[in-house]
Amino acid sequence: GQNIDQPTEMTATEGAIVQINCTYQTSGFNGLFWYQQHAGEAPTFLSYNVLDGLEEKGRFSSFLSRSKGYSYLLLKELQMKDSASYLCAVREENRDDKIIFGKGTRLHILP
Amino acid sequence: GAGVSQSPSNKVTEKGKDVELRCDPISGHTALYWYRQRLGQGLEFLIYFQGNSAPDKSGLPSDRFSAERTGESVSTLTIQRTQQEDSAVYLCASSLAETDYEQYFGPGTRLTVT
Repeated sequence: GQNIDQPTEMTATEGAIVQINCTYQTSGFNGLFWYQQHAGEAPTFLSYNVLDGLEEKGRFSSFLSRSKGYSYLLLKELQMKDSASYLCAVREENRDDKIIFGKGTRLHILP
Repeated sequence: GAGVSQSPSNKVTEKGKDVELRCDPISGHTALYWYRQRLGQGLEFLIYFQGNSAPDKSGLPSDRFSAERTGESVSTLTIQRTQQEDSAVYLCASSLAETDYEQYFGPGTRLTVT
């Protein structure tokens, strides 16, 4: 079956660093995505990992360990505008590349 | 260029009525997804179209839900005999699939069943 787990909510302070974890158990694996979704808006793409390791893109980095079924999204130098939901999603190789989303982590940034 | 568009943006309907939601994907995108998102919740997969393959309907919650796609263009999601629990935002996304795994989302249709 499919199972993608991430914390429901997190709180962090402006200027700090936060790590949002995601674990998954899926039928085949062909990549993991992170999306950002502000309240009332559609999700927007942040990152895509298919190989083990860390991908850095500005203030955001995403890490993947395929053997552990684990990923994290790291946000540095937090800004108030980073308050949003962060969605972890997995592409399933054995199902014609269907993409399944986790329930998302709501991140609250405090001044 | 044009992104994914959805219509209507908002739909209020009475319980028991049928509704039809439309999605126009980015031209050339072979993959198209429908998701449902209830207030404060994550994205719930509904159905997936990939090229000429049979659609993956495994996420449709009941036989009241159906979806069609004309070739690699517009898709419609139909909900028959709507219930109050169908109230949600229905999001459509498309992607190239072969070379670009990033999904591009439309703005969604907010459905309210009264």
